[in-house]
Amino acid sequence: NAGVMQNPRHLVRRRGQEARLRCSPMKGHSHVYWYRQLPEEGLKFMVYLQKENIIDESGMPKERFSAEFPKEGPSILRIQQVVRGDSAAYFCASSPFTGALNEKLFFGSGTQLSVL
Amino acid sequence: DAKTTQPTSMDCAEGRAANLPCNHSTISGNEYVYWYRQIHSQGPQYIIHGLKNNETNEMASLIITEDRKSSTLILPHATLRDTAVYYCIVRDRDDKIIFGKGTRLHILP
Repeated sequence: NAGVMQNPRHLVRRRGQEARLRCSPMKGHSHVYWYRQLPEEGLKFMVYLQKENIIDESGMPKERFSAEFPKEGPSILRIQQVVRGDSAAYFCASSPFTGALNEKLFFGSGTQLSVL
Repeated sequence: DAKTTQPTSMDCAEGRAANLPCNHSTISGNEYVYWYRQIHSQGPQYIIHGLKNNETNEMASLIITEDRKSSTLILPHATLRDTAVYYCIVRDRDDKIIFGKGTRLHILP
């Protein structure tokens, strides 16, 4: 059973370009979470999605950032007009969401975004 | 904001038990305590979780105080591969996991 797959592993963009980060959850998992980790800092929650629905986007910056999790295909975190401050590791996690409070998250290996 | 308090860093000798403390004095009755770790910029890895009773699995043991205001993660025989940042998390009612700063555990040879 493959784990959470994120690609690309490393992404380099110039200021003003767009970055698209992909996350394929584990098989059977219908819920996806995105986290951002700046250098030498902890993980910050960004957004929580289920298929075709955003559950909680309280951690998303108000501008330039968007996320989706379509019925078919991976979840996408999109950053428009990237700036140097967007350079970070972006982690995706998935869960089966059984409805109980005690479910655990499975994390991918992350995408390291570098903005030049 | 994270609802837990952990020491910034700890050292432990290889082969000894590593005991990582966590305070969560405002935990509510239906919230679980989770532990994750992150090894050198990899994705976080689930370790263990519990509600009231002590828990043990192949990785670690979790000891939760009777009043549930604190807990201790125990790695029984620490190895160099256990060097990581360990996060103690109380799951909030919105079902998202909020990470704090964690404890940086150094295993000394």
